[in-house]
Amino acid sequence: EAGVTQFPSHSVIEKGQTVTLRCDPISGHDNLYWYRRVMGKEIKFLLHFVKESKQDESGMPNNRFLAERTGGTYSTLKVQPAELEDSGVYFCASSRRRTVGTGELFFGEGSRLTVL
Amino acid sequence: AQSVTQPDIHITVSEGASLELRCNYSYGATPYLFWYVQSPGQGLQLLLKYFSGDTLVQGIKGFEAEFKRSQSSFNLRKPSVHWSDAAEYFCAVAPHSGGGADGLTFGKGTHLIIQP
Repeated sequence: EAGVTQFPSHSVIEKGQTVTLRCDPISGHDNLYWYRRVMGKEIKFLLHFVKESKQDESGMPNNRFLAERTGGTYSTLKVQPAELEDSGVYFCASSRRRTVGTGELFFGEGSRLTVL
Repeated sequence: AQSVTQPDIHITVSEGASLELRCNYSYGATPYLFWYVQSPGQGLQLLLKYFSGDTLVQGIKGFEAEFKRSQSSFNLRKPSVHWSDAAEYFCAVAPHSGGGADGLTFGKGTHLIIQP
């Protein structure tokens, strides 16, 4: 069984540009999460999809971030326009069960974003 | 709001020595508790989790953790570390079902260095 796949593994862009990160969850996992780790800080929750619906987006930092999951399969996270403070590692995770406490989260390797 | 504290940013241990990584949490009730590990070039992998019952939980790779309610702690231990244990370790909490955000709350991580 393939794991959670994220693309690109590393992206370097200039301030003001746009970047789109992609996550392919494990097949059959309805729940998809995005997290972010800014250097030196905790890994922070961004949002949670159940199939194609946003269940919880309380962690999204501002309206420059747009997450989608059309068709309930893969998800994209777009940052437009990117700012310096958006640099960090963006993790995607998926699970079969809805409640994170009862189901194991499977994480991807992360997409490292560097904004210059 | 819940929070997780991992007081040690870096820990250096000799190969074959015992290990204890500290984790304290702040939460209104007993949450679900987790330890994840991220090896270089890998995604986060679940080592073990505590939901209820026996306060000493066994995980993969020879790790164990003990939940101490009175100390709000969930420290990770291993009796004898191997060079392959060099990685970053994250403690995390999640609310029980029916309450709170869907995401995990992570600590800042502890970077484990193994000396030969």
